[in-house]
Amino acid sequence: QVQLQESGPGLVKPSETLSLTCTVSGDSINNYYWSWIRQSPGKGLEWIGYLYYRGSTSYNPSLKSRVTISADTSKNQFSLKLTSVTAADTATYFCARHPRANNWGFVDFWGQGSPVTVSS
Amino acid sequence: EIVLTQSPGSLSLSPGEGATLFCRASQTISSSFLAWYQQKHGQAPRLLIYGASSRATGIPDRFSGSGSATDFTLNISRLEPEDFAFYYCQQYATSPFTFGPGTKVDIK
Repeated sequence: QVQLQESGPGLVKPSETLSLTCTVSGDSINNYYWSWIRQSPGKGLEWIGYLYYRGSTSYNPSLKSRVTISADTSKNQFSLKLTSVTAADTATYFCARHPRANNWGFVDFWGQGSPVTVSS
Repeated sequence: EIVLTQSPGSLSLSPGEGATLFCRASQTISSSFLAWYQQKHGQAPRLLIYGASSRATGIPDRFSGSGSATDFTLNISRLEPEDFAFYYCQQYATSPFTFGPGTKVDIK
């Protein structure tokens, strides 16, 4: 069974860049869409963006100017970078897999979540 | 962006009772591209329903989804102790994918 594990700093200073990596085990990242989703008490669940293993991406317009999602197929990982963070970016960040299907936009596997606090 | 509204915000019920949760979209969700998730404290969400009415692998048949266009429903026929949790709907018909604010189902 596929497993996803987020890793990265739990504390980021304001104006700096938040960087997280999702390591996928039990399956290849090839042929799937992968997303980052965050959850905060104030904004609930928020989709950040997705990546197809070949490199195509789509981002939430509310974050698009600050987000980059990329993949390293050799390591079976994909990553999130969010620049110029503020306290509003404090959240638990989940990496997620979409199923291999025509209507693929729901999530069938989630990482356990990585809490990130933005504070000086 | 499609905005999802869930009602009620919270529901207090006893084990064995049935629960009906609602999700309303600000515009029609084409092809019933709507999913439901269950989330317990400190855990990631778990997929229950996709395509408005298809149960995910391993989900008990006491969970059922229905609806179309802008109005969707999640029914839990007989609440088990492990069903007390938060429930979220998500639309994936249009980017950006969006989630509802959730319904909390707790023990009466």
